[in-house]
Amino acid sequence: EVHLVESGGGVIQPGGSLRLSCAGSGFTFDDYAMHWVRQAPGMGLEWVSLISGDGYITYYADSVKDRFTISRDNNKNSLYLQMSSLRTEDTALYYCAKTKNPTAWYGLDYWGQGTLVTVSS
Amino acid sequence: AIQMTQSPSSLSASVGDRVTITCRASQGIRNDLGWYQQKPGKAPKLLIHAASSLQSGVPSRFSGTGSGTDFTLTISSLQPEDFATYYCLQDYNYPWTFGQGTKVEIK
Repeated sequence: EVHLVESGGGVIQPGGSLRLSCAGSGFTFDDYAMHWVRQAPGMGLEWVSLISGDGYITYYADSVKDRFTISRDNNKNSLYLQMSSLRTEDTALYYCAKTKNPTAWYGLDYWGQGTLVTVSS
Repeated sequence: AIQMTQSPSSLSASVGDRVTITCRASQGIRNDLGWYQQKPGKAPKLLIHAASSLQSGVPSRFSGTGSGTDFTLTISSLQPEDFATYYCLQDYNYPWTFGQGTKVEIK
């Protein structure tokens, strides 16, 4: 059974940095592109970033480009999101999600339960 | 970035009703669109991918249609467990973008 478990959230001051982690199990981790999606309190979903299975291809939302870095360690079945220059508007529940197919990156078929990041002074 | 506009933003319906939610893209996205259901306090769940392909395990009362810029999610007979918020997501190009969501409430 596929499991995704996020960790690393917390309260951080504006301008600070934080690294989120997502541990995957139940599937061949390095076969699948992985995503981060976030949801501000009471708001809708916002796609944040993608990384290919081999880690060589990455994409970002305009709102986080140049501040966030997605990475993965396939030896540890882990996905990461390094967040820097954090702003109050980055406050959200951050989900990691797996793409449905190894060769086509559409469809997010499994999601973690999320880790909460609060940016506040 | 491609803008995804969902309508309505909310609706009230009764068990057994047929419900339709629409999503319009600001430019053509072929059939590169998914639909997701989210219940309070839970992670989203994939219902439909590639505009009309039902995800494994999803009840057949859910269906999706559309191509290009206009897409529809239909629930043929609303069940109590379907009260939730629904989102479309374009995966045509990056950055991927969600619609703002449609909250389906009990009438």
